[in-house]
Amino acid sequence: EADIYQTPRYLVIGTGKKITLECSQTMGHDKMYWYQQDPGMELHLIHYSYGVNSTEKGDLSSESTVSRIRTEHFPLTLESARPSHTSQYLCASSDRDGRETQYFGPGTRLLVL
Amino acid sequence: TQLLEQSPQFLSIQEGENLTVYCNSSSVFSSLQWYRQEPGEGPVLLVTVVTGGEVKKLKRLTFQFGDARKDSSLHITAAQPGDTGLYLCAGIVFSGGYNKLIFGAGTRLAVHP
Repeated sequence: EADIYQTPRYLVIGTGKKITLECSQTMGHDKMYWYQQDPGMELHLIHYSYGVNSTEKGDLSSESTVSRIRTEHFPLTLESARPSHTSQYLCASSDRDGRETQYFGPGTRLLVL
Repeated sequence: TQLLEQSPQFLSIQEGENLTVYCNSSSVFSSLQWYRQEPGEGPVLLVTVVTGGEVKKLKRLTFQFGDARKDSSLHITAAQPGDTGLYLCAGIVFSGGYNKLIFGAGTRLAVHP
């Protein structure tokens, strides 16, 4: 079983608030990812990191930002939440073994009112 | 733009029935993965297929990768209620110096006792 954790699991927040979604993994994986998942839609990659101090934007434009100061930690921040940010956010990590197996956290379901 | 189309989008069947779900694209992938996602959880890898024409079996699940590595299918024999979930396919492409996963929108399967 993969050891990747996300907090909070659910978050209801008002427009304009700053939020940080936490993601941690204990597997020592270099690669970490943030996906956005809406019902009936593909998982869209919004950020990824291939190591400490390395972050890149994914295929889906997002107003969120990420940081990677430690290998195990990859938080996502929204400076000013809006209703359009309502979604499920999934964090994942993978090893550099070439298999590209991604281990997902349980997700954070965000509702912005 | 790579796009993975999954069909059907929804499938509701009785326990014991057989089913096949499909994952199609006009793009060629170096490999393809199938994940299953249960409510409130992140996706979990079921299998990776790498070679065109490859067939892999996982108990009652049979996965096939198309000869041209553009499509894949998942066949479940004698479905059980425990098979209920969202089945996602993900194609792996090499882009921008890295391997990336392109996800389909998924097939939501409900198996009724």
